[in-house]
Amino acid sequence: DTGVSQNPRHKITKRGQNVTFRCDPISEHNRLYWYRQTLGQGPEFLTYFQNEAQLEKSRLLSDRFSAERPKGSFSTLEIQRTEQGDSAMYLCASSRTGGLLETQYFGPGTRLLVL
Amino acid sequence: AQSVTQLDSQVPVFEEAPVELRCNYSSSVSVYLFWYVQYPNQGLQLLLKYLSGSTLVKGINGFEAEFNKSQTSFHLRKPSVHISDTAEYFCAVGGNQFYFGTGTSLTVIP
Repeated sequence: DTGVSQNPRHKITKRGQNVTFRCDPISEHNRLYWYRQTLGQGPEFLTYFQNEAQLEKSRLLSDRFSAERPKGSFSTLEIQRTEQGDSAMYLCASSRTGGLLETQYFGPGTRLLVL
Repeated sequence: AQSVTQLDSQVPVFEEAPVELRCNYSSSVSVYLFWYVQYPNQGLQLLLKYLSGSTLVKGINGFEAEFNKSQTSFHLRKPSVHISDTAEYFCAVGGNQFYFGTGTSLTVIP
């Protein structure tokens, strides 16, 4: 059983550049979530998908952020025109479609540093 | 609206001593509560969860938590900690999306 994987694990970029992260969920999981975690804080919900449909987006997700899950399997999170405030750990999680009761399994995260 | 407050940002404790990590929640809907642990350079791992039923929930690594509706709390406990328990612990409430607390850093002192 492979867990949730995320790539890259680390990304350093210059302000204004675009970055894209990938998340591969556990294979039989229909739901996929993105969170952002800054230093000293808990993870903050960004968005989630059920299969390929993006069902909910946080107001934290500005128009510079876009997430996709085109085939209902892996997902990408793109940040355009990065700002220093985007520096954070970006976490992906997945769960089965049990609705509210299913456990979310987290990946190791992608740490972004914007210079 | 849902939210979680973790009252202690850092908890140092000696090895083999008991520990309690405090969590209070606020929710206007049905309450589902979780504790996650994050070891250095690793992803979040589920310790235990409360969905319904018995208010005392047992999790992995000897941890347990008690749901107290009247006090809106879900404190995490372990009777005897080990060095390997040193990690960041997060309490969360929610369903479709989780609302996490700011975390408690547990340091076990030899």
